[in-house]
Amino acid sequence: AQSVTQPDIHITVSEGASLELRCNYSYGATPYLFWYVQSPGQGLQLLLKYFSGDTLVQGIKGFEAEFKRSQSSFNLRKPSVHWSDAAEYFCAVATNFGNEKLTFGTGTRLTIIP
Amino acid sequence: DSGVTQTPKHLITATGQRVTLRCSPRSGDLSVYWYQQSLDQGLQFLIQYYNGEERAKGNILERFSAQQFPDLHSELNLSSLELGDSALYFCASSPRQGESTEAFFGQGTRLTVV
Repeated sequence: AQSVTQPDIHITVSEGASLELRCNYSYGATPYLFWYVQSPGQGLQLLLKYFSGDTLVQGIKGFEAEFKRSQSSFNLRKPSVHWSDAAEYFCAVATNFGNEKLTFGTGTRLTIIP
Repeated sequence: DSGVTQTPKHLITATGQRVTLRCSPRSGDLSVYWYQQSLDQGLQFLIQYYNGEERAKGNILERFSAQQFPDLHSELNLSSLELGDSALYFCASSPRQGESTEAFFGQGTRLTVV
């Protein structure tokens, strides 16, 4: 069965600093990978997804992620964070193309300090 | 606003009771997914319906059931409630299967069992 590991439970960064959130997946075939963001009291919003093709994918709000098959990773990055980026971030994997039955990681809570 | 509507937003009920959570998918979306988010288990996929039929099942307890109606709205029924069922229940929808589509999440129903 597939699984997702987000090794960082909580990350604190200064506003304007760069950000990288780690995600490792376990799945024998080509995974379909997603990053979602959850703000307090809100549902999940898709930041970006990788299905195939270019391994560097661009998302909304200035986020990007790179799929590295050799490392089974799909890390999320942002060059300069804003206070509004404070939220919980979830990496997820789906195993069937077009099937959004997602397996989520445990999430990384991002705190932004002035 | 994702276009997915969940009601009620909050629900407080006693152990042993039964509740029904309702989800209205985005207009035209045929697939509905239910997820549970709890402190213990994180975000877990429960069940998927596609155009009225059950399509995939995850870690859904036997005390829980769901259905999707002809107008495509869905209900999640939780019975014989236990304290451990307290969680945030999300509904998500997507247009069609077999395509590279995104799942859009509602804002969730927070269930508290006392």
